Amino acid sequence: DSGVTQTPKHLITATGQRVTLRCSPRSGDLSVYWYQQSLDQGLQFLIQYYNGEERAKGNILERFSAQQFPDLHSELNLSSLELGDSALYFCASSRGGLAAYEQYFGPGTRLTVT
Amino acid sequence: AQKITQTQPGMFVQEKEAVTLDCTYDTSDQSYGLFWYKQPSSGEMIFLIYQGSYDEQNATEGRYSLNFQKARKSANLVISASQLGDSAMYFCAMREGQGNQFYFGTGTSLTVIP
Repeated sequence: DSGVTQTPKHLITATGQRVTLRCSPRSGDLSVYWYQQSLDQGLQFLIQYYNGEERAKGNILERFSAQQFPDLHSELNLSSLELGDSALYFCASSRGGLAAYEQYFGPGTRLTVT
Repeated sequence: AQKITQTQPGMFVQEKEAVTLDCTYDTSDQSYGLFWYKQPSSGEMIFLIYQGSYDEQNATEGRYSLNFQKARKSANLVISASQLGDSAMYFCAMREGQGNQFYFGTGTSLTVIP
């Protein structure tokens, strides 16, 4: 158990809908990272937050947004969902904000868009 | 060009033998970090080992060692004394520069044969 929690574990929704994925980092970790793992794209870095502020942005679509709250939990919002958004979404956390090397991953949320 | 290249989609190793998983990377930054993660069939991502670009010694963590050859831009993972529980997907990743962008390879599926 990495100490990172993600809810829900599974999510099935229809195209065009909006969903929110939630992540709680390990105690003491200030950074949260979001990743998308799909069969055709592999593992893609989406975005990083550090202590409530956006720190780095990867291949995140405009339909997706994220935030980190004062209690350090983070939410990833996915809107106008398409079939291609079906994937495993990971959250990871680390203690530092820059050059953090130990990222601990949550169990993931498996999103299925039908 | 791919930032991280893993050329071995699948590998087999006999139990108790050592195995090397290849990873090459592409960056023009002087400061970067290299990571290896393990993803068992259960889906979670497990951090294994980290190597910083300025680290002079190869990183080691138990049975895992990272063969870092900076001039060749390679960061191969060596697993010694393979165990059945090592059967999993292994991902090489790079954090590039100060921007905290993360890039993952396509992974290598390792099967340990009893």
